[in-house]
Amino acid sequence: KAGVTQTPRYLIKTRGQQVTLSCSPISGHRSVSWYQQTPGQGLQFLFEYFSETQRNKGNFPGRFSGRQFSNSRSEMNVSTLELGDSALYLCASSLVVGPNEKLFFGSGTQLSVL
Amino acid sequence: KNEVEQSPQNLTAQEGEFITINCSYSVGISALHWLQQHPGGGIVSLFMLSSGKKKHGRLIATINIQEKHSSLHITASHPRDSAVYICAVRSYETGGADGLTFGKGTHLIIQP
Repeated sequence: KAGVTQTPRYLIKTRGQQVTLSCSPISGHRSVSWYQQTPGQGLQFLFEYFSETQRNKGNFPGRFSGRQFSNSRSEMNVSTLELGDSALYLCASSLVVGPNEKLFFGSGTQLSVL
Repeated sequence: KNEVEQSPQNLTAQEGEFITINCSYSVGISALHWLQQHPGGGIVSLFMLSSGKKKHGRLIATINIQEKHSSLHITASHPRDSAVYICAVRSYETGGADGLTFGKGTHLIIQP
């Protein structure tokens, strides 16, 4: 079974540009969540989607947005990039069985903003 | 605001030692996750706990809901256990609206 696939793996952008990152969850997983990881702040929650609906949103500015499609694939978009947006962006799909939830992470997209 | 504190931040031990990593949090939670991140970024989910204790191979995770505390133990540690271990909690006090809140991680090095 294929794992969580994130594309692209690396991305270099300049300030003011926008970027779209893609995440394909494990087949059958309907929940996708996105996280930002930086050396200073560690891991921070961005959004969570379930069946095309945003369930939760982290404390990030409106420049960060996302969506989920009917096939559970998800995209996140960052507009008007700032230097501080340089980070590893991770997505995870999850499988909930009864009271248990298991997260499966992609390898991430390393975004550098110059 | 939900705070998640991990200790120690850094830990270096010899192969074979018993390792304990601690995680404390400040609000009521519905679930606590232990994650492992190796150099290069890949994150693996080790455990999800809502109560009690879980064991998988040489790894044991416990949680005390009343004390808002969890521990991850590694028995007979091995150099391949070297990684960053991250605790993450899902709060129920805000209906889970915060998603996961993460600790800063514990950087573990096991020397042969």
